[in-house]
Amino acid sequence: GENVEQHPSTLSVQEGDSAVIKCTYSDSASNYFPWYKQELGKRPQLIIDIRSNVGEKKDQRIAVTLNKTAKHFSLHITETQPEDSAVYFCAASKQAGNMLTFGGGTRLMVKP
Amino acid sequence: GAGVSQTPSNKVTEKGKYVELRCDPISGHTALYWYRQSLGQGPEFLIYFQGTGAADDSGLPNDRFFAVRPEGSVSTLKIQRTERGDSAVYLCASSLGGADTQYFGPGTRLTVL
Repeated sequence: GENVEQHPSTLSVQEGDSAVIKCTYSDSASNYFPWYKQELGKRPQLIIDIRSNVGEKKDQRIAVTLNKTAKHFSLHITETQPEDSAVYFCAASKQAGNMLTFGGGTRLMVKP
Repeated sequence: GAGVSQTPSNKVTEKGKYVELRCDPISGHTALYWYRQSLGQGPEFLIYFQGTGAADDSGLPNDRFFAVRPEGSVSTLKIQRTERGDSAVYLCASSLGGADTQYFGPGTRLTVL
């Protein structure tokens, strides 16, 4: 089955700096890659997603890039703010409506 | 509109007991998913419903776990003879049939003593 690896497991940045989280996946049939943000004790919330027919997608301070050949995708957060502090999960899915396989998560800490 | 809801929010039980966890998906969402999240880890897939039928139950760890969705809306995850290793947060998600985006509920924290 699909395997998703996520790095780093923890990331500490200064407010205003950029943060980058990377994920690799094993199944070349995967074609949908969402990113979720989970605050302590709360539900995972979708922040951005990308499909395999697109190489990059941006939404204000958040962007995701996808390299299908290398089977990796990355989350980029610019101008980080303390409220960006949370655990971020990447995931992969093989088709619309199918199960998600999650990475192990990255704890992002933004220091004011 | 209302998001995915789950009840109870917390459940403490003793080893060997039976528990039921409930999920109310977003109205109109035909797909429903159950995941399990252990402390410090990403959610792990358990089972997926499309309508009333289980489209994929390959993530259920053993036959103590069972889930139903009799009317294609509310779903119940049932765990028999609970073990301490079942302790985790059980997350439910729903999506519009045929679409990708899964919306998660707040989870049920299950503690087996």
